[in-house]
Amino acid sequence: DTAVSQTPKYLVTQMGNDKSIKCEQNLGHDTMYWYKQDSKKFLKIMFSYNNKELIINETVPNRFSPKSPDKAHLNLHINSLELGDSAVYFCASSHLSFEQFFGPGTRLTVL
Amino acid sequence: ELKVEQNPLFLSMQEGKNYTIYCNYSTTSDRLYWYRQDPGKSLESLFVLLSNGAVKQEGRLMASLDTKARLSTLHITAAVHDLSATYFCAVDEGGGSQGNLIFGKGTKLSVKP
Repeated sequence: DTAVSQTPKYLVTQMGNDKSIKCEQNLGHDTMYWYKQDSKKFLKIMFSYNNKELIINETVPNRFSPKSPDKAHLNLHINSLELGDSAVYFCASSHLSFEQFFGPGTRLTVL
Repeated sequence: ELKVEQNPLFLSMQEGKNYTIYCNYSTTSDRLYWYRQDPGKSLESLFVLLSNGAVKQEGRLMASLDTKARLSTLHITAAVHDLSATYFCAVDEGGGSQGNLIFGKGTKLSVKP
């Protein structure tokens, strides 16, 4: 199936830990994104990335960092996790900056 | 800074009725999207509106875009229970050049028999 996939689907961890969420797309898209959806369902873009440019939402703490080993993958690394990081994180991809297709989401719970 | 406002945020409808969800945005953009999200699920793309006056329809849903008024509408015709979900509009912050979508807060639609 062509899609955007994320692993893990659920992630429960302690404060202060470092964790990663993986994202892969097999749609042949050149741009990938990370979004955070909070408990009130509000969606906020964190990063957008193509092979030329990383655009960072300036409100994102530098504990969050995207890493792209290749065009099909954009992983999200989070250092020193805090309670407020608990949310659902969505990866998305698009061709150039057109219609975005979203992954299934990763529910992160920080205890 | 681009702001996107949806209203209403909650909508309870009876089956068979019609209603409209509104999406206003604060700065110029020619690219607007509508997404659907079911509880605990991902976002599903419904409509991509790329120019002033664009109108798209899929089943009981119809979306339109007025870039001069900075307004998009999502019209629901003869609602059915399967349409119950949260609907988001999103506007490209760069006017279409970056793909950084700014989302509205979502409209939670509940269709009751």
